[in-house]
Amino acid sequence: DTGVSQDPRHKITKRGQNVTFRCDPISEHNRLYWYRQTLGQGPEFLTYFQNEAQLEKSRLLSDRFSAERPKGSFSTLEIQRTEQGDSAMYLCASSLGLADGYNEQFFGPGTRLTVL
Amino acid sequence: DAKTTQPPSMDCAEGRAANLPCNHSTISGNEYVYWYRQIHSQGPQYIIHGLKNNETNEMASLIITEDRKSSTLILPHATLRDTAVYYCIVRVAWANNLFFGTGTRLTVIP
Repeated sequence: DTGVSQDPRHKITKRGQNVTFRCDPISEHNRLYWYRQTLGQGPEFLTYFQNEAQLEKSRLLSDRFSAERPKGSFSTLEIQRTEQGDSAMYLCASSLGLADGYNEQFFGPGTRLTVL
Repeated sequence: DAKTTQPPSMDCAEGRAANLPCNHSTISGNEYVYWYRQIHSQGPQYIIHGLKNNETNEMASLIITEDRKSSTLILPHATLRDTAVYYCIVRVAWANNLFFGTGTRLTVIP
């Protein structure tokens, strides 16, 4: 399967714990995106990478959130000191980094986080 | 990016055409209209996009009005597998994020 993969698919944690999610993009894609989706809402943009550089961050990405893409391939999203409001689906997407053209985003299946 | 307005829900009989409307009255000249859908418990899936002209692919057709202030996504022969939330998004081609809104929940009825 050459699609976007995410691990784990589900995570249950207690409030105050740290969690880390992984995303493996489509291999030739140099752009990677993180979104968050709460129940009944559409996905909301968090951040995106061009290769290993994090080029844009949403105001939704508080100081407790950190994302990395150290070698320009897979990415991790860490949430420190989780809060119940962090409970959501965390979606990863990737796209080709065409300089002046359309960049269709391909989404992974998501990681569902439940903070108790 | 311009905002879009979609009905919260629609039903369609299996085998019939599903016509999903979207209003984007503040769209600017360089903004495209994109459609994604999200089947339950899956990530969003790209369907189609267009600028001015009507577009068709193996999944759907996109009809954009001449003034570009609204569009319709057409699924020509809806199946039960088309039950999903459909998102209409307007954005410039080079934008890095997608603003999804709340979409239209399409239910295909047997």
